[in-house]
Amino acid sequence: SQQGEEDPQALSIQEGENATMNCSYKTSINNLQWYRQNSGRGLVHLILIRSNEREKHSGRLRVTLDTSKKSSSLLITASRAADTASYFCATDRGGFQKLVFGTGTRLLVSP
Amino acid sequence: DTAVSQTPKYLVTQMGNDKSIKCEQNLGHDTMYWYKQDSKKFLKIMFSYNNKELIINETVPNRFSPKSPDKAHLNLHINSLELGDSAVYFCASTSGQEDEKLFFGSGTQLSVL
Repeated sequence: SQQGEEDPQALSIQEGENATMNCSYKTSINNLQWYRQNSGRGLVHLILIRSNEREKHSGRLRVTLDTSKKSSSLLITASRAADTASYFCATDRGGFQKLVFGTGTRLLVSP
Repeated sequence: DTAVSQTPKYLVTQMGNDKSIKCEQNLGHDTMYWYKQDSKKFLKIMFSYNNKELIINETVPNRFSPKSPDKAHLNLHINSLELGDSAVYFCASTSGQEDEKLFFGSGTQLSVL
């Protein structure tokens, strides 16, 4: 399977704490993307990091990419209850190739 | 205005029936997809269309037939529904250019009884 693996499968933290999720994948990529899925909703794009980038920031999000280890991490700083959702990484090999999604991390942020 | 809209949101039906899910995007995108998300939240590609032409067809039973009347629409028709078809089906679209993100619909939860 080309599907990525995410770790941990579930994460429970308190508001204000940081949340870190990891993603490993198997093939060479053009870019890696992170998506959020709230319960009962579609996925929403959060951030994209290209294969020649090592780190990227967007608001409270920080993404790193290590292509030698075929891994990425998503850090959410100062988490809020509204961050409660499932987070998925997805790898893009370019062209019309579809995005291959990871298994997801379920994040619960308690007030 | 909803960028990618799917109907219906919920679909409950009996085994053996035929059903359709509709998807429309108003983003002017050229590429549309159907993804299936199972009960464990695994998200798998089913089909991809670019400008009304099928470009990706993963290992999906031929009971599933996508149809794209124009590049803004990609419908999914399912024949002879089975219990294992129960899942959430997501439509998505992208411009197809380099480093582009996917825009997802809100999903159709299909329950086959």
